[in-house]
Amino acid sequence: EVQLVESGGGLVQPGRSLRLSCAASGFTFADCALFWVRQAPGKGLEWVSGITWNGGMIGYADSVKGRFTISRDNAKNLLYLQMSSLRVEDTALYYCAKAGTSWYEIDNWGQGTLVTVSS
Amino acid sequence: DIQMTQSPSSLSASVGDRVTITCRASQTISSYLNWYQQKPGKAPKLLIYAASSLQSGVPSRFSGSGSGIDFTLTISSLQPEDFATYYCQQSYRTPLITFGQGTRLDIK
Repeated sequence: EVQLVESGGGLVQPGRSLRLSCAASGFTFADCALFWVRQAPGKGLEWVSGITWNGGMIGYADSVKGRFTISRDNAKNLLYLQMSSLRVEDTALYYCAKAGTSWYEIDNWGQGTLVTVSS
Repeated sequence: DIQMTQSPSSLSASVGDRVTITCRASQTISSYLNWYQQKPGKAPKLLIYAASSLQSGVPSRFSGSGSGIDFTLTISSLQPEDFATYYCQQSYRTPLITFGQGTRLDIK
């Protein structure tokens, strides 16, 4: 069974940093592209960042470019999101998500970790 | 960046209705178009991938069509459990993916 378990969320002040982690199991982690997708309260899904299977391609939404860094450890089956210079508008539920290997659809999601940026 | 535009943004329908949601990409994405259903408090669930392929376990009343720029999600006969929010998403530029803004489907 595929499992994606996010951790690291919490309450943080504007301008501070936070690192999210996603522990994966139940599939060949090193074969899959991975994403962070967030959802602000009452809003739609927003792609935050993505990374290919070997980290060879990485992308960021314009809203987080220069502030967030995605990385992965294929030996430990872990995905990370380092978030710095956090803003109130970064408040959201952050999902870790796994892509299928043919059409890159998101075939599995974690349950999310809540990040609240507030003074 | 590829923009995804869904319509309508909200929709009211009755059990048994046939419902269609459309999604338009700002440039061609071949068939790299996926549809998700999200219910309150839950993670999204994959319904359709590659524009028209039904994800395992998803009822056959859900179907998808289209290629290139224009895509459609159809629910042939609405069931009570189908009232939710639906999102399209392009995976053509993975890892740079994009979601539509969502379509909220309510009970009339």
